[in-house]
Amino acid sequence: QQPVQSPQAVILREGEDAVINCSSSKALYSVHWYRQKHGEAPVFLMILLKGGEQKGHDKISASFNEKKQQSSLYLTASQLSYSGTYFCGTEPQGGSEKLVFGKGTKLTVNP
Amino acid sequence: DTGVSQDPRHKITKRGQNVTFRCDPISEHNRLYWYRQTLGQGPEFLTYFQNEAQLEKSRLLSDRFSAERPKGSFSTLEIQRTEQGDSAMYLCASSLFANTQYFGPGTRLTVL
Repeated sequence: QQPVQSPQAVILREGEDAVINCSSSKALYSVHWYRQKHGEAPVFLMILLKGGEQKGHDKISASFNEKKQQSSLYLTASQLSYSGTYFCGTEPQGGSEKLVFGKGTKLTVNP
Repeated sequence: DTGVSQDPRHKITKRGQNVTFRCDPISEHNRLYWYRQTLGQGPEFLTYFQNEAQLEKSRLLSDRFSAERPKGSFSTLEIQRTEQGDSAMYLCASSLFANTQYFGPGTRLTVL
């Protein structure tokens, strides 16, 4: 089952914060976050494993609530370079090790 | 550059023709994945290999699609008798076992 991402799109001014959510109907083992700019390959941001951990990378962090099968990506003090489409890829518990990606959230950061 | 590479980057073909794409993974990675991405969608899983063994294929992978990884290094994805619905970006990714997948730049296929 494809995870559901929200919102579908968000527009920010440089320096503002954003939250992108990823929700699955299946119990998850891990959630992977990627950013893709137009015409380019998805770039890995971070992976969250079962255990409800939170990770951070510069001003981008994420959390994983395994009980709710939800993950959130937090972008703080956004920069122009943060623009792109963000995808979550989910790996179900005890099943195939392939990732199922959501439809993406398009983030636009304006000056 | 030691990232994932794909060739060609763009392919235009006529309906009914066969096409083949190549993917070279990061050298020490034993897993290689193929995905397809259409406009406005996330990558959709097609198949993956661990070394030379093809471990899983998606229902999306009709009998016109075949993938190989003969020596456990590079992989090829062939589409026979292409259809307009095959137009998409074909992405390859590699990983070391079931860890982070690193994507290549993709091959954009246009079927006329």
